[in-house]
Amino acid sequence: AQSVTQPDIHITVSEGASLELRCNYSYGATPYLFWYVQSPGQGLQLLLKYFSGDTLVQGIKGFEAEFKRSQSSFNLRKPSVHWSDAAEYFCAVAPNDYKLSFGAGTTVTVRA
Amino acid sequence: SAVISQKPSRDICQRGTSLTIQCQVDSQVTMMFWYRQQPGQSLTLIATANQGSEATYESGFVIDKFPISRPNLTFSTLTVSNMSPEDSSIYLCSVVGFLSSGANVLTFGAGSRLTVL
Repeated sequence: AQSVTQPDIHITVSEGASLELRCNYSYGATPYLFWYVQSPGQGLQLLLKYFSGDTLVQGIKGFEAEFKRSQSSFNLRKPSVHWSDAAEYFCAVAPNDYKLSFGAGTTVTVRA
Repeated sequence: SAVISQKPSRDICQRGTSLTIQCQVDSQVTMMFWYRQQPGQSLTLIATANQGSEATYESGFVIDKFPISRPNLTFSTLTVSNMSPEDSSIYLCSVVGFLSSGANVLTFGAGSRLTVL
């Protein structure tokens, strides 16, 4: 069975600082990996996804994620956080493009 | 990009009643899904809505509690039956496989927030 762990429930960062959100997964084969963002009152928006190829994936809004097979991780990063990045972030794993298993989510608070 | 509309966006319901949530996509898609997000928790897949046939339910979800319809490639409904406070959640419609563009990204609606008293 596939599963996702996001160890950090809540992270607070200063505007302009860097951000890294951790994600570890359990899956028997090479999975599809995703990061979604959910802003208050909004639906989920895909930031990026990985299936194969370059292990460093570039996404929207200046985010990137790195797939590390040896560590079963897919951490999300952003070099400089903006106040609009305050949201909840979900990592997900799937055998394909649609049967996703989501992590519990990490809430990001951005302080001025 | 595709627009997914869900109705209602939120509702307050009485225990024992049923509510139907609608999901309308502005373009034809191959697959439609329903997810549940309980308060403070992550998303859980309820079922895959199959056009013209019975939905495929995930473990822990049954048709009697969550009947689903999908009459065509752009529309689906999820009914939450005989509601209890434990059904208070955000219900999200998601779609993948846009026939017009070939895009294959799982896209979510804004969700329907149900509160059961």
